[in-house]
Amino acid sequence: EDQVTQSPEALRLQEGESSSLNCSYTVSGLRGLFWYRQDPGKGPEFLFTLYSAGEEKEKERLKATLTKKESFLHITAPKPEDSATYLCAVTNYGQNFVFGPGTRLSVLP
Amino acid sequence: DAGITQSPRHKVTETGTPVTLRCHQTENHRYMYWYRQDPGHGLRLIHYSYGVKDTDKGEVSDGYSVSRSKTEDFLLTLESATSSQTSVYFCAIYDRDKNIQYFGAGTRLSVL
Repeated sequence: EDQVTQSPEALRLQEGESSSLNCSYTVSGLRGLFWYRQDPGKGPEFLFTLYSAGEEKEKERLKATLTKKESFLHITAPKPEDSATYLCAVTNYGQNFVFGPGTRLSVLP
Repeated sequence: DAGITQSPRHKVTETGTPVTLRCHQTENHRYMYWYRQDPGHGLRLIHYSYGVKDTDKGEVSDGYSVSRSKTEDFLLTLESATSSQTSVYFCAIYDRDKNIQYFGAGTRLSVL
């Protein structure tokens, strides 16, 4: 059975304090690992797709990396507007996704 | 937002009443999904559709039914709402060309 876990459950950072969020997964034949951002009261917003170990994607202060068992979302010098819940998901044959419970990030000014 | 509209955005109902949530898309995607999101559980798949009149169950389908009579509309029905169905419901579409799921804004349902 495909599974996704995320840690930590919640993270509080000071503005400018870099850190990483973890997504651990088990899937039979990875066809994509996805990161989403979700703001309160809104739907998840797509950030990145990663396909193979060693791959990296960047967007502003965020960088996602992938190994055979984990993905990390690195946040460099975060700002308060980076506060959100970050969701990780995997798919093994394209159209059905399995989501992790998310990491709730708070960046304090 | 990939042209996904959910309605209503908020609903309060009583136990035992039927409830229908609507998801409308403007981009003709074949796959559509209904998820519920609860604290500590993340997004859980209720039902999905892979074409008009083609649907299948997800991991938490008990108490829910779906219908898709047109490509653009995917309806989720709670046949007799219970308090355990109080949740936030999200509709999603799958863009096969990009291999990405896009989500609607959600419907917050309270069953009293």
